[in-house]
Amino acid sequence: DIEMTQSPLSLPVIPGESASISCRSSRSLLNSEGSNSLFWYLQKPGQSPQVLIYLGNRASGVPDRFSGSGSGSDFTLKISRVEAEDVGVYYCMQSLQTPITFGQGTRLEIK
Amino acid sequence: EVQLVESGGGLVQPGGSLRLSCAASGFTFSIYFMHWVRQTPGKGLEWVSRINGDGSDTTYAEFVKGRFTISRDNAKNTLDLQMNSLKAGDTAVYYCVLLGTRPPAWGQGTLVTVSS
Repeated sequence: DIEMTQSPLSLPVIPGESASISCRSSRSLLNSEGSNSLFWYLQKPGQSPQVLIYLGNRASGVPDRFSGSGSGSDFTLKISRVEAEDVGVYYCMQSLQTPITFGQGTRLEIK
Repeated sequence: EVQLVESGGGLVQPGGSLRLSCAASGFTFSIYFMHWVRQTPGKGLEWVSRINGDGSDTTYAEFVKGRFTISRDNAKNTLDLQMNSLKAGDTAVYYCVLLGTRPPAWGQGTLVTVSS
């Protein structure tokens, strides 16, 4: 199984500042199409996970304050100018092979 | 617009059975793999199972093998998960998930509680 490791697990942020979440996989997520089979999700309280970044693309409707970077086994989600609405738990997920696996989640809170 | 709507969750006793369903719309259902993912309070998000477009190929997480069966009806655009021999550890919100479209989509989830 591909292990996904996120850090930090808790992320207190002052509104307007930037935040970064790291996700490392136990093997490369580079697929046969040349992209990385890596997704970033945000789960707000009481909601299902909503996709932010998938296969290197920002999902439609996601503010450009959110950006994903990295390749292979080392990825970063950056949120610039954090807003109150960004509160929730952020997950990375790999779909390169089954079982599909998730990071432990990073809880972003507003200071 | 892609929509995935789960149903069938509820309270069931240990050892019991439950059948979840997911109604899909807004995309060509029959050509995509479909997945079930669950979220437990203790273990976070866990992938459960997947099925290919025509239903001929299924894969399961080790912890549900032999107990859960995934299936689909492409005429009705529905995905099912038959869960047997349920355990307390199966208590979770179960999500129907589509990963092959751009963007991917998740349903709102259905809660399964296994308790006596």
